[in-house]
Amino acid sequence: EPEVTQTPSHQVTQMGQEVILRCVPISNHLYFYWYRQILGQKVEFLVSFYNNEISEKSEIFDDQFSVERPDGSNFTLKIRSTKLEDSAMYFCASIVEGGFRGYTFGSGTRLTVV
Amino acid sequence: RKEVEQDPGPFNVPEGATVAFNCTYSNSASQSFFWYRQDCRKEPKLLMSVYSSGNEDGRFTAQLNRASQYISLLIRDSKLSDSATYLCVVNPNGGSQGNLIFGKGTKLSVKP
Repeated sequence: EPEVTQTPSHQVTQMGQEVILRCVPISNHLYFYWYRQILGQKVEFLVSFYNNEISEKSEIFDDQFSVERPDGSNFTLKIRSTKLEDSAMYFCASIVEGGFRGYTFGSGTRLTVV
Repeated sequence: RKEVEQDPGPFNVPEGATVAFNCTYSNSASQSFFWYRQDCRKEPKLLMSVYSSGNEDGRFTAQLNRASQYISLLIRDSKLSDSATYLCVVNPNGGSQGNLIFGKGTKLSVKP
């Protein structure tokens, strides 16, 4: 069964550093998403991406965050200057166009900001 | 008011028990509803969609009451492997472009 792949599985970074989280969505999918989950908290929507542009973003997704699909395969989330409160699990997801059936998440990247 | 609200539990039940989880959502225009399961430090995994007429998948039964904005999940004959956190999830928008709203989850622990 096709799956969404995320790398790295765990990243430790110093406060103020830039990080890039990578996702390889399922190949024929057209909608892409990033979510995050702070330890012990609920999963929260960050951003959705379609047709090479952001289609929706949450209040969490401020100017420190950006997304892109640089090569038609990878889907990346960049955090420019990490803060301690950015420490969380970051999940990528993708769905095929045409009907919403609930999507499949990647296994996540655990980001630890120290 | 929280968008998706669940009893946090934990629910501690013996193997073979029947357990029910409830969930309420605040946006009456919400279109799609799901139950996800999340194991500790893992990604959420889709357990089942929830349809207006109610639906069943093996030991799992989901119900939706749009008038009360209430969703439920019933697990019969619970197994040790059912131990996880169950997330009530709502898509407020419908269509293909669905950013999901998650509840905080209800933790289930099934004991031998």
